[in-house]
Amino acid sequence: QKEVEQNSGPLSVPEGAIASLNCTYSDRGSQSFFWYRQYSGKSPELIMSIYSNGDKEDGRFTAQLNKASQYVSLLIRDSQPSDSATYLCAVRFTGSARQLTFGSGTQLTVLP
Amino acid sequence: GAVVSQHPSWVICKSGTSVKIECRSLDFQATTMFWYRQFPKQSLMLMATSNEGSKATYEQGVEKDKFLINHASLTLSTLTVTSAHPEDSSFYICSASGATGTTYEQYFGPGTRLTVT
Repeated sequence: QKEVEQNSGPLSVPEGAIASLNCTYSDRGSQSFFWYRQYSGKSPELIMSIYSNGDKEDGRFTAQLNKASQYVSLLIRDSQPSDSATYLCAVRFTGSARQLTFGSGTQLTVLP
Repeated sequence: GAVVSQHPSWVICKSGTSVKIECRSLDFQATTMFWYRQFPKQSLMLMATSNEGSKATYEQGVEKDKFLINHASLTLSTLTVTSAHPEDSSFYICSASGATGTTYEQYFGPGTRLTVT
């Protein structure tokens, strides 16, 4: 069974804090991992992709991957109210061609 | 780069009519396109996967005769909702993959909000 698990939240953090979003997945052989942001009423937007163990930083966003633990996370530093959205974790499972399996998303609210 | 458009952005139709939604990759060739449906406050639900020039692969429970998908070129896929009913009212979102050869990112269109009256 191909599964991507996320804490649905809601997760609330004060402005300027670090928001930590977590995701676990079921297939140890997976190689491709993505974080999408979805504002209410809008479609998802790709914000990060990560393929190797360790950290990948892009501006205020850091993705962390631990394949041994089947765990991927997204850290948002200096959180802003504009970061308030649902964050979707997506995994390309082995043998899935280009299909991604999405988690149900974590709703983040950044309080001013 | 990697821009995907959808048209129309919203549509209202009467029960029993058909609606066509277009999805275009504007600056890359999409070898694979995906169609999703999302109900309010729910997660994305994959409906089907289409590869250029091939028949679409539908997910379990999705009626292929009701949701017709055509992927005639590397930049265009269409979804036709046939004989629409109020329960088909939803947010339909396409995504495209193929901007790069091996990294598998999917880029989403802005979505089409369908209301069937």
